[in-house]
Amino acid sequence: AQSVTQLDSHVSVSEGTPVLLRCNYSSSYSPSLFWYVQHPNKGLQLLLKYTSAATLVKGINGFEAEFKKSETSFHLTKPSAHMSDAAEYFCVVPGGTSYGKLTFGQGTILTVHP
Amino acid sequence: DGGITQSPKYLFRKEGQNVTLSCEQNLNHDAMYWYRQDPGQGLRLIYYSQIVNDFQKGDIAEGYSVSREKKESFPLTVTSAQKNPTAFYLCASSIGTGGRVADTQYFGPGTRLTVL
Repeated sequence: AQSVTQLDSHVSVSEGTPVLLRCNYSSSYSPSLFWYVQHPNKGLQLLLKYTSAATLVKGINGFEAEFKKSETSFHLTKPSAHMSDAAEYFCVVPGGTSYGKLTFGQGTILTVHP
Repeated sequence: DGGITQSPKYLFRKEGQNVTLSCEQNLNHDAMYWYRQDPGQGLRLIYYSQIVNDFQKGDIAEGYSVSREKKESFPLTVTSAQKNPTAFYLCASSIGTGGRVADTQYFGPGTRLTVL
């Protein structure tokens, strides 16, 4: 079965400093992987998607993630945090058995301090 | 403007009442999904539909029902049998290619349901 573990439920950074949100996955094959962002009381927005074309994936708003098969990780990074990055972030892997099903991590709440 | 709309944004229900949440998409997507979100639990799949007039139970379908009579619409009914319906409900859609690479799902803005 496919699953994801987000290693931090909360991450706090200062504006202008790097962001690292950690995600490990478990999959019986090389999966697709997604990062979504959710601002308070809003729907989810796709940040980036890995599809095995390239291990370093660039997304919107300066975010990127690197797929490391040997470490089964797909950590999300950004060189310099902005106040508008404060939100909840979800690492997501396809469910595998059910068509189209996505399995969501528990989420990481990112707080950005001035 | 293409996208997914959900209505209402906020919904209040008395115990014992059924309520229906609306989800409409104009992306011409075949697949549609309903998720429930509770604090600290990520998103859990309630129902999904790959094509018109067909839908499947997700992980937490008990107390919910859906229909898919039109490609663009996938309403969710929260019945009185749902023991703890207060939550944030999200609708999503995807192209529905059924290929090895998972389709990207696009989400609506959500409906917050509160049972009084």
